[in-house]
Amino acid sequence: SQQGEEDPQALSIQEGENATMNCSYKTSINNLQWYRQNSGRGLVHLILIRSNEREKHSGRLRVTLDTSKKSSSLLITASRAADTASYFCATVTTGANSKLTFGKGITLSVRP
Amino acid sequence: DGGITQSPKYLFRKEGQNVTLSCEQNLNHDAMYWYRQDPGQGLRLIYYSQIVNDFQKGDIAEGYSVSREKKESFPLTVTSAQKNPTAFYLCASSIGDRLYGYTFGSGTRLTVV
Repeated sequence: SQQGEEDPQALSIQEGENATMNCSYKTSINNLQWYRQNSGRGLVHLILIRSNEREKHSGRLRVTLDTSKKSSSLLITASRAADTASYFCATVTTGANSKLTFGKGITLSVRP
Repeated sequence: DGGITQSPKYLFRKEGQNVTLSCEQNLNHDAMYWYRQDPGQGLRLIYYSQIVNDFQKGDIAEGYSVSREKKESFPLTVTSAQKNPTAFYLCASSIGDRLYGYTFGSGTRLTVV
């Protein structure tokens, strides 16, 4: 079952612009993670934010988490053509045996 | 360098055949996972293992089998009982604590011919 849902499904921006991607989820989480996937490749872990955190930064990435709204956003600043990829949010729900559950992903295209 | 190796990168299977996908990691991770990725459906969990000689079914285990005889290896067999096996298969590993991110292999694309 899909726990996280990303929005929009596809995003096209010009190089240098900021890209904002959103994720909503349904049940209480332990943490939320963002991954990147280049076409035909495996996923790469970008950032993890815990349920008691509101914001985290990593280089040009900024992730926010609003547990009251059950939502997260991933901001990529000063985008580059090399940022073109699919981005997935994934959640670990509360509970002893919960596993990472992925959304369907967002396709980001950055035009040079 | 530490990482996860999946092989082969491409695999073709005739209907009625079993095929085995390889996944090896040298990260000393306790937990390993198999996901299936279909276009527009994200990743779905097939099987996972948190320790050697133990594994559990994920959301879509029917038609698949796994083994975990060594910490480093977690092969996935796609059996003839899997009616729609054409997909991209991804193996991942983690330290074992769900508070850490997963490391993924580069995937195996399986096509039924």
